[in-house]
Amino acid sequence: QITLKESGPTLVKPTQTLTLTCTFSGFSLNTNRMGVGWIRQPPGKALEWLALVFWDDDKRYNPSLKSRLTITKDTSKNQVVLTVTNMDPVDTATYYCAHRGAAGTWFDPWGQGTLVTVSS
Amino acid sequence: DIQMTQSPSSLSASVGDRVTITCRASQGISNYLAWYQQKPGKVPKLLIYAASTLQSGVPSRFSGGGSGTDFTLTISSLQYEDVATYYCQHYNSAPYTFGQGTKLEIK
Repeated sequence: QITLKESGPTLVKPTQTLTLTCTFSGFSLNTNRMGVGWIRQPPGKALEWLALVFWDDDKRYNPSLKSRLTITKDTSKNQVVLTVTNMDPVDTATYYCAHRGAAGTWFDPWGQGTLVTVSS
Repeated sequence: DIQMTQSPSSLSASVGDRVTITCRASQGISNYLAWYQQKPGKVPKLLIYAASTLQSGVPSRFSGGGSGTDFTLTISSLQYEDVATYYCQHYNSAPYTFGQGTKLEIK
């Protein structure tokens, strides 16, 4: 059974850097074609894909936020970390991490999500 | 970047109705399309991938179709538990864009 769980701060100040950790089980990021992605959802709004890291450390970013995003993996800890620099109130959202299977870049399952509020 | 446009944005239908949601890609994406269901206050759940392949455990009243730029998600007989917002997502190439969502309610 694959599970993922996000952890990190629930409140950050404008201009600060957000660091979120996704801890997963049930699969290995050493396995060919596996990946972990991050998706966010502002309150009452649609889903927005942010970033994806593959088993071979290849990375993909949403161009609209690329300069602010960094995704890394720690295979030994079964963790993926997302950092978002220069946080703004519009970045207030529930942040999800999700498993990308070997067959294609759809996301299943997802973590429970963590709500991050940006406010001074 | 490929844009995904869903229609309608919201939909109200009666239990037992056949419901169809449309997703259009701004350029051809073959069958690289997934559908998700997000019930109120819950985590998104994968329903369909490769445009028409039902994820394990998803009721057979859900089906997907289409290829290229135009795709559909159909619920053959709407049930109360299908109240949710539905999203399409392409995975042809990064960025893996989601549609804006279709909110489905019971009439």
